[in-house]
Amino acid sequence: QKEVEQNSGPLSVPEGAIASLNCTYSDRGSQSFFWYRQYSGKSPELIMSIYSNGDKEDGRFTAQLNKASQYVSLLIRDSQPSDSATYLCAVNGDSSYKLIFGSGTRLLVRP
Amino acid sequence: DTGVSQNPRHKITKRGQNVTFRCDPISEHNRLYWYRQTLGQGPEFLTYFQNEAQLEKSRLLSDRFSAERPKGSFSTLEIQRTEQGDSAMYLCASTSGGGQGYTFGSGTRLTVV
Repeated sequence: QKEVEQNSGPLSVPEGAIASLNCTYSDRGSQSFFWYRQYSGKSPELIMSIYSNGDKEDGRFTAQLNKASQYVSLLIRDSQPSDSATYLCAVNGDSSYKLIFGSGTRLLVRP
Repeated sequence: DTGVSQNPRHKITKRGQNVTFRCDPISEHNRLYWYRQTLGQGPEFLTYFQNEAQLEKSRLLSDRFSAERPKGSFSTLEIQRTEQGDSAMYLCASTSGGGQGYTFGSGTRLTVV
């Protein structure tokens, strides 16, 4: 059973701080890794993808991947109250491109 | 490109009734996926199509569930004899492949009473 694990939170940070979200996965053959943001009652929105070890930056977001440790993280710099949402980690490892999702981490950014 | 479209947005049905949902993917995307999401959980894979062929079905997809994608365009997901445990958000996503990640539709929220 392929699994993706996330701390459910909530993770509470003050406005302007760095939020750090973490994810581990069980399938060593996983090739592609994604972070989705989901606001309450809405569908998931893709915000970051990462495919190789190291860091990938996009604006205030940085995704980090360590395949040896089977670990993916998302850093959000200068957190804003509008970043308050559930962040879903997703992993893909075969040619079907189906994604295995974690249960998500709820982030609260306090004004 | 208007994104992935799902209809209806909300559906309330009585236990035992049949329901059908529709998904219109992004036009150039040949892969279409159905997921189900319950409160506090991440989306769970149900099934996917490449063009009109249904290539994989999850064990979550019981005999009461059926999905089609005629002509490789829109897709429908039907649930027969609905049960309260079917209450969830049903999400559709499409991609052209290559592992770039999905675009999800806005989902259909099903409530079985």
